[in-house]
Amino acid sequence: NAGVTQTPKFRVLKTGQSMTLLCAQDMNHEYMYWYRQDPGMGLRLIHYSVGEGTTAKGEVPDGYNVSRLKKQNFLLGLESAAPSQTSVYFCASSYSNQGASRQPQHFGDGTRLSIL
Amino acid sequence: GNSVTQMEGPVTLSEEAFLTINCTYTATGYPSLFWYVQYPGEGLQLLLKATKADDKGSNKGFEATYRKETTSFHLEKGSVQVSDSAVYFCALSPSSNTGKLIFGQGTTLQVKP
Repeated sequence: NAGVTQTPKFRVLKTGQSMTLLCAQDMNHEYMYWYRQDPGMGLRLIHYSVGEGTTAKGEVPDGYNVSRLKKQNFLLGLESAAPSQTSVYFCASSYSNQGASRQPQHFGDGTRLSIL
Repeated sequence: GNSVTQMEGPVTLSEEAFLTINCTYTATGYPSLFWYVQYPGEGLQLLLKATKADDKGSNKGFEATYRKETTSFHLEKGSVQVSDSAVYFCALSPSSNTGKLIFGQGTTLQVKP
């Protein structure tokens, strides 16, 4: 039972470098989300997707891009990394039936990203 | 707008003590409410949820009641264990059909033997 798998688990980047974080889920969930977790601020939504081929902005989308080419995968990209993007990134997924707002989200174990 | 406010932590308790972590929310419409728990080095796990007013969510000895009149969803447990040490997040999902979660800042619980 893999659930939600995030790759990589840790990464150190230099300012200006680019990278892609991969999220994969094996639960056939329609909805997927990317959050960042910073001390004292809880989790904040970066981008989300309500289905294959669709994406939408969340609370803090600037500096990030996403793609959902396959239902099971949701990619988060940093085109030009900045120190302010140092954070722990979490991917989550959920069902859409019976009202998406009622469905719990299933989280990956996170990616710890440091930008120097 | 929508927001969630949790009590400041950390909360330090002795084993078998009573736990309350306060959570209040601001939302339009009829949101669903959740408590998630995060153990060190792990992602978040759903602890319990309530989807309408006066619902009580419960799991593993934890309880929370959806109080629309006080816009609250306080987490309680009658007797905590060392294994309950973790960070607890209160969250709401607005009634729009996107499933987005809005989180409180999290409350760290440390239980001492």
